[in-house]
Amino acid sequence: SQQGEEDPQALSIQEGENATMNCSYKTSINNLQWYRQNSGRGLVHLILIRSNEREKHSGRLRVTLDTSKKSSSLLITASRAADTASYFCATEGNNRLAFGKGNQVVVIP
Amino acid sequence: EAGVVQSPRYKIIEKKQPVAFWCNPISGHNTLYWYRQNLGQGPELLIRYENEEAVDDSQLPKDRFSAERLKGVDSTLKIQPAELGDSAVYLCASSLDQQRAGETQYFGPGTRLLVL
Repeated sequence: SQQGEEDPQALSIQEGENATMNCSYKTSINNLQWYRQNSGRGLVHLILIRSNEREKHSGRLRVTLDTSKKSSSLLITASRAADTASYFCATEGNNRLAFGKGNQVVVIP
Repeated sequence: EAGVVQSPRYKIIEKKQPVAFWCNPISGHNTLYWYRQNLGQGPELLIRYENEEAVDDSQLPKDRFSAERLKGVDSTLKIQPAELGDSAVYLCASSLDQQRAGETQYFGPGTRLLVL
């Protein structure tokens, strides 16, 4: 069964704006990961945040994790048309990665 | 470095027919995964291999699905017979060593299956 639930499920923004998406999960985790999927490059790992971390940055990406609320957020700053994709959060526990349903993000040039 | 290779990329079959998907992981990756992704959903794990051993196949529908990873490298996933509900994208992924938490999984382009 899938663990993560992303919110909003669809997001449309102008190029240059920031995009924020959230993920909630249900059980304890070792870490939480975000993936991007588009038709050009398939499913690609973006960033991982461990259960004892609260915030992590990678380029234009910022991820937060609140284990007390069992939630995470992904912020993409200064979005580009190439950021158009589906974004999935995935929780890792018991040697298994459980994906959410995904956020569809469209960046309008 | 070559990524995860899958074939075929697309497959259309009639229900009750058999179908097989092939995956070649990244060289040196011990762990191999098969996922199924239904339309509008995230991938769901079907089976995980550590070298040639299937260590997590609890979500594999064993009545019609089978998989093998001979010699601990390439893997084949088979469906026999296929049902309409099997239409999905089948993704293969590999990682260096799943024993270590947080190991990055690298995904192939997937095989899009349509069962008519």
